Amino acid sequence: AQSVTQLDSQVPVFEEAPVELRCNYSSSVSVYLFWYVQYPNQGLQLLLKYLSGSTLVESINGFEAEFNKSQTSFHLRKPSVHISDTAEYFCAEEGKLTFGQGTILTVHP
Amino acid sequence: GAVVSQHPSWVICKSGTSVKIECRSLDFQATTMFWYRQFPKQSLMLMATSNEGSKATYEQGVEKDKFLINHASLTLSTLTVTSAHPEDSSFYICSASRDDDQPQHFGDGTRLSIL
Repeated sequence: AQSVTQLDSQVPVFEEAPVELRCNYSSSVSVYLFWYVQYPNQGLQLLLKYLSGSTLVESINGFEAEFNKSQTSFHLRKPSVHISDTAEYFCAEEGKLTFGQGTILTVHP
Repeated sequence: GAVVSQHPSWVICKSGTSVKIECRSLDFQATTMFWYRQFPKQSLMLMATSNEGSKATYEQGVEKDKFLINHASLTLSTLTVTSAHPEDSSFYICSASRDDDQPQHFGDGTRLSIL
């Protein structure tokens, strides 16, 4: 069965600091991987996705994630976070969409 | 493009009431729609997958008679929580995709509170 593990339930950082949210997946076959962001009392918004091709994918708001097959990881990074990035982030694996447990990113001024 | 609208966004009702939640794809035809449930501080758990014109496929442990899903058209799916009880209180989120191998687009969710 597919499983997605997000290693950190909460990540507090200061504004303008870099951040990495970790995600490991389990599938040994071709995978599609996603990062979603959820703001309070809202649904999920797709942040970025890896389907094939370049292992480094970027979002329009400065986030990037790298697909690492050997480490079965798809960590999300941003070099400099803003207050507005405070939200919960979910890593997910396609097939039947399987979500990680979520990581709450809190950016402090 | 690919906007999914979910209604209502928040509902509070008495125990024993049935509640209907609508999920609409506004600018595309959704062959497949998904219903998720999210408890506080937890991840999304898939409840069921519905394909237009056919019966929904429920995940293990989800009572199909409790959570009625109808996907009558390519732009609308409904989830009815029948005879809701306080333990059914949760955040319900739908998503829709054009096809099985297409990404899912999520609605904003419905917060259901049963008193």
